[in-house]
Amino acid sequence: GESVGLHLPTLSVQEGDNSIINCAYSNSASDYFIWYKQESGKGPQFIIDIRSNMDKRQGQRVTVLLNKTVKHLSLQIAATQPGDSAVYFCAEIPNSGYSTLTFGKGTMLLVSP
Amino acid sequence: EAGVAQSPRYKIIEKRQSVAFWCNPISGHATLYWYQQILGQGPKLLIQFQNNGVVDDSQLPKDRFSAERLKGVDSTLKIQPAKLEDSAVYLCASSFDSSVYEQYFGPGTRLTVT
Repeated sequence: GESVGLHLPTLSVQEGDNSIINCAYSNSASDYFIWYKQESGKGPQFIIDIRSNMDKRQGQRVTVLLNKTVKHLSLQIAATQPGDSAVYFCAEIPNSGYSTLTFGKGTMLLVSP
Repeated sequence: EAGVAQSPRYKIIEKRQSVAFWCNPISGHATLYWYQQILGQGPKLLIQFQNNGVVDDSQLPKDRFSAERLKGVDSTLKIQPAKLEDSAVYLCASSFDSSVYEQYFGPGTRLTVT
């Protein structure tokens, strides 16, 4: 069936480095994608979103890139901080007009000082 | 603005027992979701409510799971009887309505079935 998945289960970086977390999706009909951050013992927290008619969207220290040709999504975090350590999930909305999310498995980001 | 509230935060039960989780969404949010998150995986939607009506319960194991949102505000998710594979974190989320994609999640209830 359709699914959202991540390439790397764990990413370790040094404080101050830039981090890139990748995600592959298989449903070409999805028109909306979201990145969530989940810290230990907490629920997922919205980071940034992007619609399928966009290639790039920037937030504060984060950038999401969407490549529809290869069905690939990435989250870039600039100047990574220890507080960025968490599990990151990409999620897609497979049916336009409804808010049902399909989550991938997640990538753990470990930031060492 | 108060966030999504859930209780209890932790629950340990034996298999074949029953358990119930409670969720109070953000005030004014019409859409409420229950997710199951097994360790190491992303959340999986169990059921979605729009006010007090069910929008999607296609992934809810209806032989043992039930959920209600009688007054369109808070919600209860029940498991009866529990199985070992039900051990997971149960997350509640809410959004302003079903056409608004940003969902706000509660802290979750960690269920351990022994």
